[in-house]
Amino acid sequence: GDSVTQMEGPVTLSEEAFLTINCTYTATGYPSLFWYVQYPGEGLQLLLKATKADDKGSNKGFEATYRKETTSFHLEKGSVQVSDSAVYFCALSSRGGATNKLIFGTGTLLAVQP
Amino acid sequence: DTGVSQDPRHKITKRGQNVTFRCDPISEHNRLYWYRQTLGQGPEFLTYFQNEAQLEKSRLLSDRFSAERPKGSFSTLEIQRTEQGDSAMYLCASSLERGQFFGPGTRLTVL
Repeated sequence: GDSVTQMEGPVTLSEEAFLTINCTYTATGYPSLFWYVQYPGEGLQLLLKATKADDKGSNKGFEATYRKETTSFHLEKGSVQVSDSAVYFCALSSRGGATNKLIFGTGTLLAVQP
Repeated sequence: DTGVSQDPRHKITKRGQNVTFRCDPISEHNRLYWYRQTLGQGPEFLTYFQNEAQLEKSRLLSDRFSAERPKGSFSTLEIQRTEQGDSAMYLCASSLERGQFFGPGTRLTVL
């Protein structure tokens, strides 16, 4: 079945460092891909999405590019801030299914130190 | 605030009791989802409604679980005869197309 694999955390960085969180997926066809973020004590928020190959999703300085050839959707940010500390989830939604249900990875905890 | 709301935010119950959670989606969204999230894991899909019709249920949703969306607006998730393994965060999400918007969740603790 469809699945998402994320790099294990925690990822600990200093402020202004470059961030990469790896995400790869297994799916039949061409799914839509998402990154969600969960700040401490808050609900899941949609961070960015991409719906077809080579699309780049971006928001709040974060970017991710849909790579069909490597089945990847890695999250990047050029300069992290302490306020970016959160858990980041990669997810997919299969095309062709009626529900568009999301399949999530296990999440990656990011801790940014001042 | 026009986001997804859930009630209650926290529920502590004793094993064997029944509990019911409510979700109010974003008003124009016709799709509604329930997920369950345990500590250290990503959310797992439980069930899906399009308007008032329940179109898919996960195998995670045992016979003790039932969900309704009677008028295509709010939804309820009931767990009967709760077990300690039911302790988790129960998340509701709604959408029009792709890209779901999540509520804050209901944290259930079964003692």
